[in-house]
Amino acid sequence: DAGVTQSPTHLIKTRGQQVTLRCSPISGHKSVSWYQQVLGQGPQFIFQYYEKEERGRGNFPDRFSARQFPNYSSELNVNALLLGDSALYLCASSPKGGQGVPTDTEAFFGQGTRLTVV
Amino acid sequence: RKEVEQDPGPFNVPEGATVAFNCTYSNSASQSFFWYRQDCRKEPKLLMSVYSSGNEDGRFTAQLNRASQYISLLIRDSKLSDSATYLCVVTHSNSGYALNFGKGTSLLVTP
Repeated sequence: DAGVTQSPTHLIKTRGQQVTLRCSPISGHKSVSWYQQVLGQGPQFIFQYYEKEERGRGNFPDRFSARQFPNYSSELNVNALLLGDSALYLCASSPKGGQGVPTDTEAFFGQGTRLTVV
Repeated sequence: RKEVEQDPGPFNVPEGATVAFNCTYSNSASQSFFWYRQDCRKEPKLLMSVYSSGNEDGRFTAQLNRASQYISLLIRDSKLSDSATYLCVVTHSNSGYALNFGKGTSLLVTP
Protein backbone atom coordinates (compact mmCIF):
# COMPACT_ATOMS: atom_id res chain seq x y z
CA ASP A 1 0.00 0.00 0.00
CA ALA A 2 1.18 3.48 -0.78
CA GLY A 3 2.00 5.66 2.18
CA VAL A 4 1.44 9.38 2.43
CA THR A 5 2.78 11.05 -0.69
CA GLN A 6 3.78 14.69 -0.95
CA SER A 7 4.80 16.77 -3.92
CA PRO A 8 7.06 18.36 -4.81
CA THR A 9 9.90 17.00 -2.66
CA HIS A 10 11.99 20.14 -2.99
CA LEU A 11 11.13 23.66 -3.99
CA ILE A 12 12.96 26.97 -4.24
CA LYS A 13 10.93 30.17 -4.30
CA THR A 14 11.65 33.87 -4.14
CA ARG A 15 10.39 36.17 -1.41
CA GLY A 16 6.91 37.43 -2.16
CA GLN A 17 5.97 34.48 -4.34
CA GLN A 18 3.19 32.01 -3.66
CA VAL A 19 3.54 28.25 -3.28
CA THR A 20 1.18 25.26 -3.32
CA LEU A 21 2.15 21.99 -1.69
CA ARG A 22 0.22 18.77 -2.25
CA CYS A 23 -0.51 15.71 -0.16
CA SER A 24 -2.23 12.40 -0.81
CA PRO A 25 -3.17 10.51 2.35
CA ILE A 26 -3.10 6.78 2.86
CA SER A 27 -6.09 5.15 1.19
CA GLY A 28 -9.03 5.14 3.58
CA HIS A 29 -7.67 7.92 5.78
CA LYS A 30 -9.98 10.89 6.03
CA SER A 31 -7.85 13.21 8.16
CA VAL A 32 -4.97 15.25 6.83
CA SER A 33 -2.81 17.58 8.89
CA TRP A 34 -0.04 19.94 7.90
CA TYR A 35 3.06 20.73 9.93
CA GLN A 36 6.01 23.07 9.49
CA GLN A 37 9.41 21.94 10.72
CA VAL A 38 12.14 24.53 10.84
CA LEU A 39 15.69 23.21 11.12
CA GLY A 40 16.51 22.20 14.67
CA GLN A 41 12.91 22.38 15.88
CA GLY A 42 10.05 19.94 16.25
CA PRO A 43 7.17 20.08 13.76
CA GLN A 44 4.62 22.84 14.39
CA PHE A 45 0.94 22.26 13.68
CA ILE A 46 -0.54 24.39 10.90
CA PHE A 47 -3.90 22.86 9.91
CA GLN A 48 -6.03 19.78 10.29
CA TYR A 49 -8.76 18.76 7.88
CA TYR A 50 -11.25 15.96 8.42
CA GLU A 51 -13.94 15.04 5.95
CA LYS A 52 -13.10 18.14 3.91
CA GLU A 53 -13.68 20.53 6.80
CA GLU A 54 -11.08 22.47 8.75
CA ARG A 55 -11.00 21.03 12.25
CA GLY A 56 -7.98 22.78 13.67
CA ARG A 57 -5.65 25.67 12.98
CA GLY A 58 -2.31 26.42 14.55
CA ASN A 59 -0.73 29.78 15.26
CA PHE A 60 0.17 30.73 11.69
CA PRO A 61 -0.65 33.93 9.78
CA ASP A 62 -3.43 34.20 7.24
CA ARG A 63 -0.86 33.84 4.46
CA PHE A 64 -1.21 30.12 5.14
CA SER A 65 -4.32 28.39 3.85
CA ALA A 66 -5.32 24.86 3.00
CA ARG A 67 -8.12 22.77 1.66
CA GLN A 68 -9.11 19.13 1.38
CA PHE A 69 -10.69 17.63 -1.70
CA PRO A 70 -13.45 14.99 -2.00
CA ASN A 71 -10.80 12.30 -2.49
CA TYR A 72 -9.23 13.45 0.83
CA SER A 73 -6.07 14.79 -0.79
CA SER A 74 -5.03 18.21 0.40
CA GLU A 75 -3.21 21.34 -0.64
CA LEU A 76 -1.35 23.84 1.51
CA ASN A 77 -0.95 27.34 0.08
CA VAL A 78 1.42 29.98 1.34
CA ASN A 79 1.22 33.51 -0.06
CA ALA A 80 3.74 36.35 0.08
CA LEU A 81 6.59 34.06 1.05
CA LEU A 82 9.09 35.23 3.63
CA LEU A 83 12.61 33.95 4.24
CA GLY A 84 11.35 32.53 7.53
CA ASP A 85 8.93 30.24 5.68
CA SER A 86 11.91 28.11 4.64
CA ALA A 87 11.24 24.75 6.27
CA LEU A 88 10.24 21.15 5.80
CA TYR A 89 6.47 20.96 5.34
CA LEU A 90 5.05 17.68 6.51
CA CYS A 91 1.68 16.17 5.79
CA ALA A 92 0.22 13.55 8.12
CA SER A 93 -2.79 11.33 7.57
CA SER A 94 -4.82 9.32 10.03
CA PRO A 95 -8.09 7.44 9.82
CA LYS A 96 -9.70 9.62 12.49
CA GLY A 97 -9.67 13.24 13.47
CA GLY A 98 -11.67 16.22 14.58
CA GLN A 99 -13.05 17.50 17.83
CA GLY A 100 -13.94 14.90 20.37
CA VAL A 101 -12.49 12.01 18.41
CA PRO A 102 -10.08 9.76 20.30
CA THR A 103 -6.59 11.02 19.68
CA ASP A 104 -4.70 7.82 20.30
CA THR A 105 -4.58 6.99 16.64
CA GLU A 106 -1.22 6.95 14.93
CA ALA A 107 -0.47 9.70 12.44
CA PHE A 108 1.50 8.69 9.37
CA PHE A 109 3.77 11.32 7.88
CA GLY A 110 4.84 11.84 4.31
CA GLN A 111 8.49 12.54 3.54
CA GLY A 112 7.76 16.22 3.32
CA THR A 113 8.38 19.10 0.95
CA ARG A 114 11.55 21.03 1.62
CA LEU A 115 10.83 24.67 0.80
CA THR A 116 13.65 27.18 0.46
CA VAL A 117 12.78 30.84 0.14
CA VAL A 118 15.55 33.06 -1.23
CA ARG B 1 6.73 28.68 27.75
CA LYS B 2 6.48 25.97 25.11
CA GLU B 3 3.76 23.39 25.62
CA VAL B 4 6.18 20.45 25.38
CA GLU B 5 9.73 20.74 26.68
CA GLN B 6 12.59 18.35 26.03
CA ASP B 7 16.29 18.39 26.68
CA PRO B 8 17.68 18.88 23.16
CA GLY B 9 20.88 16.98 23.92
CA PRO B 10 22.77 15.72 22.06
CA PHE B 11 23.16 12.53 24.01
CA ASN B 12 26.30 10.65 22.94
CA VAL B 13 26.36 7.11 24.35
CA PRO B 14 28.34 3.95 23.59
CA GLU B 15 26.68 0.86 22.19
CA GLY B 16 25.03 -1.17 24.91
CA ALA B 17 24.39 1.78 27.18
CA THR B 18 21.06 2.67 28.74
CA VAL B 19 19.79 6.17 28.02
CA ALA B 20 16.75 8.05 29.33
CA PHE B 21 14.94 10.99 27.78
CA ASN B 22 12.63 13.26 29.72
CA CYS B 23 9.78 15.45 28.60
CA THR B 24 7.41 17.79 30.41
CA TYR B 25 4.14 19.24 29.18
CA SER B 26 2.27 22.29 30.39
CA ASN B 27 -1.36 21.59 29.47
CA SER B 28 -3.02 19.55 32.21
CA ALA B 29 -5.82 18.68 29.75
CA SER B 30 -3.39 16.75 27.59
CA GLN B 31 -4.98 13.50 26.58
CA SER B 32 -2.64 11.32 24.54
CA PHE B 33 1.10 10.94 24.63
CA PHE B 34 3.59 9.55 22.17
CA TRP B 35 7.24 9.21 21.35
CA TYR B 36 8.13 9.68 17.68
CA ARG B 37 11.49 8.98 16.11
CA GLN B 38 12.93 11.11 13.32
CA ASP B 39 16.00 10.11 11.36
CA CYS B 40 18.10 12.81 9.73
CA ARG B 41 16.20 14.50 6.89
CA LYS B 42 13.36 11.99 7.16
CA GLU B 43 9.78 12.19 8.39
CA PRO B 44 8.78 11.45 12.00
CA LYS B 45 7.58 7.93 12.69
CA LEU B 46 5.68 6.67 15.71
CA LEU B 47 7.93 4.83 18.13
CA MET B 48 5.37 4.13 20.82
CA SER B 49 2.32 5.46 22.57
CA VAL B 50 2.63 6.24 26.28
CA TYR B 51 0.06 5.03 28.80
CA SER B 52 -0.44 5.87 32.46
CA SER B 53 0.38 2.30 33.41
CA GLY B 54 3.65 2.51 31.52
CA ASN B 55 4.45 0.36 28.54
CA GLU B 56 7.35 -1.56 27.14
CA ASP B 57 8.28 -2.58 23.62
CA GLY B 58 11.44 -4.62 23.52
CA ARG B 59 14.32 -2.40 24.60
CA PHE B 60 12.08 0.66 24.88
CA THR B 61 10.07 1.62 27.96
CA ALA B 62 7.80 4.65 28.21
CA GLN B 63 6.38 6.12 31.39
CA LEU B 64 3.77 8.79 32.04
CA ASN B 65 3.26 10.72 35.27
CA ARG B 66 0.11 12.80 34.89
CA ALA B 67 0.45 14.42 38.32
CA SER B 68 3.89 15.77 37.44
CA GLN B 69 3.04 16.22 33.73
CA TYR B 70 6.13 14.25 32.86
CA ILE B 71 6.90 11.64 30.22
CA SER B 72 10.00 9.51 29.88
CA LEU B 73 11.57 7.14 27.39
CA LEU B 74 14.18 4.58 28.39
CA ILE B 75 16.29 2.80 25.81
CA ARG B 76 18.24 -0.21 27.03
CA ASP B 77 21.17 -1.88 25.28
CA SER B 78 21.53 0.95 22.75
CA LYS B 79 22.25 0.02 19.14
CA LEU B 80 23.96 2.11 16.48
CA SER B 81 20.63 2.12 14.65
CA ASP B 82 18.99 3.93 17.58
CA SER B 83 20.82 7.12 16.55
CA ALA B 84 18.06 9.59 15.72
CA THR B 85 16.06 12.46 17.16
CA TYR B 86 13.34 11.45 19.61
CA LEU B 87 10.28 13.68 19.68
CA CYS B 88 7.92 13.88 22.63
CA VAL B 89 4.34 14.49 21.48
CA VAL B 90 1.12 15.30 23.33
CA THR B 91 -2.42 15.97 22.20
CA HIS B 92 -5.45 17.38 23.97
CA SER B 93 -9.10 16.99 23.15
CA ASN B 94 -9.76 20.65 22.45
CA SER B 95 -7.34 20.70 19.54
CA GLY B 96 -8.68 17.79 17.52
CA TYR B 97 -5.87 15.56 16.47
CA ALA B 98 -3.17 18.24 16.43
CA LEU B 99 0.12 16.81 17.58
CA ASN B 100 2.12 19.10 19.84
CA PHE B 101 5.78 18.26 19.40
CA GLY B 102 8.72 18.98 21.60
CA LYS B 103 11.92 20.23 20.05
CA GLY B 104 13.34 16.71 20.05
CA THR B 105 16.29 15.08 21.75
CA SER B 106 19.19 14.01 19.58
CA LEU B 107 20.80 10.64 20.30
CA LEU B 108 24.09 9.43 18.85
CA VAL B 109 25.13 5.88 19.66
CA THR B 110 28.82 5.27 19.02
CA PRO B 111 30.73 1.99 18.52
